[in-house]
Amino acid sequence: EIVLTQSPGTLSLSPGERATLSCRASQSVYSSYLAWYQQKPGQAPRPLIYGASSRATGIPDRFSGSGSGTDFTLTISRLEPEDFAVYYCQQYGSSPITFGQGTRLEIK
Amino acid sequence: QVQLVQSGAEVKKPGASVKVSCKASGYTFTGYYLHWVRQAPGQGLEWMGWIIPNSGVTNYAQKFQGWVTMTRDASISTAHMELSRLKSDDTAVYYCARGEVQLGLDNWGQGTLVTVSS
Repeated sequence: EIVLTQSPGTLSLSPGERATLSCRASQSVYSSYLAWYQQKPGQAPRPLIYGASSRATGIPDRFSGSGSGTDFTLTISRLEPEDFAVYYCQQYGSSPITFGQGTRLEIK
Repeated sequence: QVQLVQSGAEVKKPGASVKVSCKASGYTFTGYYLHWVRQAPGQGLEWMGWIIPNSGVTNYAQKFQGWVTMTRDASISTAHMELSRLKSDDTAVYYCARGEVQLGLDNWGQGTLVTVSS
């Protein structure tokens, strides 16, 4: 089983700042099948990134993903008020599918 | 547009079973995997398994083998997830999600809260 470790656990930033979230895998993620999801309280996860770097439908270009192998990053170039939420990475290249524990992005 | 609409909230006693349904629309139901993911209160996301709607083939996470059953009725584009021998720590929101090999879980249901309490 691939264990995903996200850091930091909580990130405190202000609107307009740049956010960098990390996801490290315990072994290489097959074919970079790494996704990022955003979740707000009381809502289902919202897909942001798939294949490590491709934006899902309707996702603004301030969201970008990068990385390969075992190290992946989600970057939000300029934070908007609606971006403050919890973010999860997920690998779907091998079974079982696994999620990171999440990074909470909060307003400073 | 793609929609996954889940059944309503459930309250169950310990030892009982629960069956959650997920009705798909806006796409070819048999063309995509259907995953189940749960989230305990205040916790992260936990993948439970998937079903291939075309064939009914399933793949369960090891933790859930023997007490989860995923089924589908392709004629009405609906998938079901049944969890048996419920315990209090099975209290969670249960999500269904459409899975695509390259896109990951690209569409999610609204979630179904299952509360296990005596």
